[in-house]
Amino acid sequence: SQQGEEDPQALSIQEGENATMNCSYKTSINNLQWYRQNSGRGLVHLILIRSNEREKHSGRLRVTLDTSKKSSSLLITASRAADTASYFCATALNRDDKIIFGKGTRLHILP
Amino acid sequence: EPEVTQTPSHQVTQMGQEVILRCVPISNHLYFYWYRQILGQKVEFLVSFYNNEISEKSEIFDDQFSVERPDGSNFTLKIRSTKLEDSAMYFCASSVLSYGYTFGSGTRLTVV
Repeated sequence: SQQGEEDPQALSIQEGENATMNCSYKTSINNLQWYRQNSGRGLVHLILIRSNEREKHSGRLRVTLDTSKKSSSLLITASRAADTASYFCATALNRDDKIIFGKGTRLHILP
Repeated sequence: EPEVTQTPSHQVTQMGQEVILRCVPISNHLYFYWYRQILGQKVEFLVSFYNNEISEKSEIFDDQFSVERPDGSNFTLKIRSTKLEDSAMYFCASSVLSYGYTFGSGTRLTVV
């Protein structure tokens, strides 16, 4: 299966600290995407990184991709209470392919 | 900012009944999807739709499921005879060139 698997399953950190979540996948991909889901709500697209890219930034988010290790990481810097959510990676085999989600990391920011 | 709109937000139905979940994708998007998430579990792909036809479907998407884009704006998911295990959040998504999906807020389906 190409699906990503996030690590850790759950993460609790103090507000202001950095949060790092990892995603591993099994097959070659075209792109990898990160999504956020607040409890009981829809999925919000955060960032997309293509297989020929190694790092992307968006505000306080930094995503890396290591295709040789088939892994990606999502770093949230200077975490805030509003960052409390589940974070999912999703991979696409080809450009126009469906995306397949991993199981997610539940992030809890402690005040 | 453009949104994907899903209705209803919550639907309760009796086992064996038909349900139709509705979605209005973003108007200039070309690719449409349905995903579901059973409570506490991962988000699962159901079906993708492009150029007025199904482009791919998962093994979950059996003969009880169907999708339609009846009028060029709505995108519907029909479950013909619901089962208890169909209880889940159903998410519609749309995208341009399949890069970076925009998801709706979901429909919580409860089958009793």
